[in-house]
Order: sequence, then structure tokens, then C-alpha cells
Amino acid sequence: GENVEQHPSTLSVQEGDSAVIKCTYSDSASNYFPWYKQELGKRPQLIIDIRSNVGEKKDQRIAVTLNKTAKHFSLHITETQPEDSAVYFCAANRGSTLGRLYFGRGTQLTVWP
Amino acid sequence: DGGITQSPKYLFRKEGQNVTLSCEQNLNHDAMYWYRQDPGQGLRLIYYSQIVNDFQKGDIAEGYSVSREKKESFPLTVTSAQKNPTAFYLCASSIGGPEREQFFGPGTRLTVL
Repeated sequence: GENVEQHPSTLSVQEGDSAVIKCTYSDSASNYFPWYKQELGKRPQLIIDIRSNVGEKKDQRIAVTLNKTAKHFSLHITETQPEDSAVYFCAANRGSTLGRLYFGRGTQLTVWP
Repeated sequence: DGGITQSPKYLFRKEGQNVTLSCEQNLNHDAMYWYRQDPGQGLRLIYYSQIVNDFQKGDIAEGYSVSREKKESFPLTVTSAQKNPTAFYLCASSIGGPEREQFFGPGTRLTVL
């Protein structure tokens, strides 16, 4: 099946700095790449996603980039705030409208004030 | 009030006992999923179902069983064959397949004594 690797596992930044989390995938047929955020004690929620027909997508302070050739995608958070502290999960499908997502192991982001 | 619910929030069982975790959604979603979350392990898929009366094994199905008799319900049974059942269990649903947003329930923390 698909193999999604996520790095780093932990990331600490100062408030106002940028944070970048990277994921690689193995199946070249994968065409959908969501990112989920899970705050402490809460359920995961989708924050942004990208499909393989675009290379970048932005939503205010967050952006996702996709490099299909290299089979990796990244989450970028600019002007980080303490409320960005959470666990972030990347995921990928297998190029089908059926089936399931394959999640990375998560990145614990801590933003220090 | 629409959403996806799980019950109970906390569950304690003695070793060797089967236990069933409830997951209900009133979002009219076709697909439902069960994940296990352990520290540092990310979201690991146990079972998923894309339609009533049909379900597929995920990555860690051994020791678990499910049923999908109704669109709204996807209960998970943790059997005595599951060697390390103590974990946080998350249920999710989506309107379609893996290219659609997954909505997660609040989770059930199972502790086997």
C-alpha cells in the first residue's frame, strides 16, 4: 500500500516564526493530500488539502506545496501563534475514489510566546 | 444538531473481555472509519466501510471486528484476541471516499485492566 512518512516528529518555534512540516509518499498514483490538525484533547480537523493538479494552495497563514516528481508535499505555517500548537497529520490516498487515506505519524508543533 | 458521536468517552474493562465501542453519525455520510491512536503512532486504520453491509480491513484489524447494518452506525468490537487494546479510538465519517473530508468523533479512551 501507500507509505507516508512525516518529518519532523516534533517542532518548536518562536511565536511569529514560520514552521514547515514535510511528508513523502510512495504511490505515484496518489492524487489527494490533506492535512489535519489535532489540538490537545480534541478531535482531528481538516485544515487544508491539495490535489495533484495544483502545485500550491494557500489559506491565510497556512499553505501546502506539492512536488509530484519528488513525491513530497509540505505544510507551511507563517507568523505562527500559540494557538497553532497542536499535532499535525499529513495523509495521502492511492489515486482512487474508493478506499482510504494513509496517514503520517504526526508532528507535534509547539509555538512559544 | 448534526455530527458524529462516540460513546462512552472512557471505558474500563478487564483483560479477556470483549468490549464494543459505539459510533453514530447523522451527517448522511456513506463512509465510516475506525482509527487507533497511540502516542507517536499517528492515526492507524483498523476498519473502514464505504457502504452499508460492507467493510474492509485496515492496517491493524487483528483482534477487532465491526458491523455496518445501518448507514448511521459503525460499532467496533475489541475482542480478547487484541493483545494490547488500551488506546484512544477515533471514529470518522465522510460523504464519499478518501478524497472527501473526514469528520472525526470525540474518541473513546479504552483502558484494559
